Formats: sequence, structure tokens, C-alpha cells
Amino acid sequence: SQTIHQWPATLVQPVGSPLSLECTVEGTSNPNLYWYRQAAGRGLQLLFYSVGIGQISSEVPQNLSASRPQDRQFILSSKKLLLSDSGFYLCARDSRGTEAFFGQGTRLTVV
Amino acid sequence: AQSVSQHNHHVILSEAASLELGCNYSYGGTVNLFWYVQYPGQHFQLLLKYFSGDPLVKGIKGFEAEFIKSKFSFNLRKPSVQWSDTAEYFCAVNGGNFNKFYFGSGTKLNVKP
Repeated sequence: SQTIHQWPATLVQPVGSPLSLECTVEGTSNPNLYWYRQAAGRGLQLLFYSVGIGQISSEVPQNLSASRPQDRQFILSSKKLLLSDSGFYLCARDSRGTEAFFGQGTRLTVV
Repeated sequence: AQSVSQHNHHVILSEAASLELGCNYSYGGTVNLFWYVQYPGQHFQLLLKYFSGDPLVKGIKGFEAEFIKSKFSFNLRKPSVQWSDTAEYFCAVNGGNFNKFYFGSGTKLNVKP
């Protein structure tokens, strides 16, 4: 199974509030995990990448952070949301480079 | 820096027209190449992928892509599009000196019935 659970599906948060988006995956152990943001005209922007527990690489400087407390859990966080953090966030995993699988995504609106 | 370029941001075609969407990448070494499609309101779906071998790759729904190493390109083609092909198409790369999936900015395809 390549199932990726991502929640919530939609979220409306005020500026300055914290954020926590959770992603859990099923299937093989030690997956490579990703957080992407999808914005119109910009495709899928890679935000964070993790090859294992506690191992996070950040692709772009931003107001967000990621953590991987367990092998199959990947969390996207922010201490204080900005308006510019609005977007569609996708969690993904890959099968050692052979294919990427995506969660259903979270539509975040910061108001 | 690594990059994947999709030059066509929005393409409008009539049914039965031929399609070619461009994709170029800027990595050295061995790369794996992919095309994904996102139909309105749906998940990303893999159309096809190239790892090695025959540079002309056939995927689902009549799509194909050709890897031209000298041009760092992996263009997507379909001889005759249908209205149901209306979607956004993303080129992706991994491999080389990295092991992450990088995606292009996407191409929105509208097929007029």
C-alpha cells in the first residue's frame, strides 16, 4: 500500500496563529518524505525533504518548519502564520526514486 | 541549482489536435524523468516515467515522451487529444547528484470539444 494520510483537508487560520499539518504514510519502512506547496503558475515547490527520523532538509527559506518524529510521520509547522503561507500543501513519499505518491493535500487559507 | 522548466504554461487545443508539452531540466549525471497529471479536483497521477533504455517511453492514456539527453529534454506528446485530457501536467526529475523529486511549474491543458 502506498497510502498517504494527510489532514486536515482544509484549514482557515488567522495571521499569527500556529500551524501543524500532519502526514502519515503506510507501506514500506523508512520512506523518503516530502512537503510541497502547490501555487498557481509555480507548480509544486519542494519545501522539505526527509530521508529518515529527525533528518530534514529545507529547500527554501520560509516561515515554515518540518519534523519527522516517527518513521512514517511527517509534520509541517509554523509558529506564526503569514498571509503568504496560504496555499495548497501536499505530502508525498517516494519509492526510492521510482515514483512519487501524494496525499490528498491541505488547502490552507490564512486570513 | 536544480531546476525543471516547463515553457508552456497554458495550452488550448481542439479535440483531435496533436499535443507536445516541453520539459527541460538542468542536472548532470543520470536522472529519472516523470510526467504527472492532475485532473481537476483529483490527485496527482503518474502518466509515464523514464529510467533507462529506449528513450521513447509510452505511458497511460495514449501519452508518450521522448528523452533527448543532449537537449536535457523530456517532452510529452499525444497524437490526438480528447476533451478528457483537460488537466494540468507536471514534469518531474530525480536522480543525478540528488535524490529528490523536483517538479516543473506545470502546464494547464484545455481541450475544447
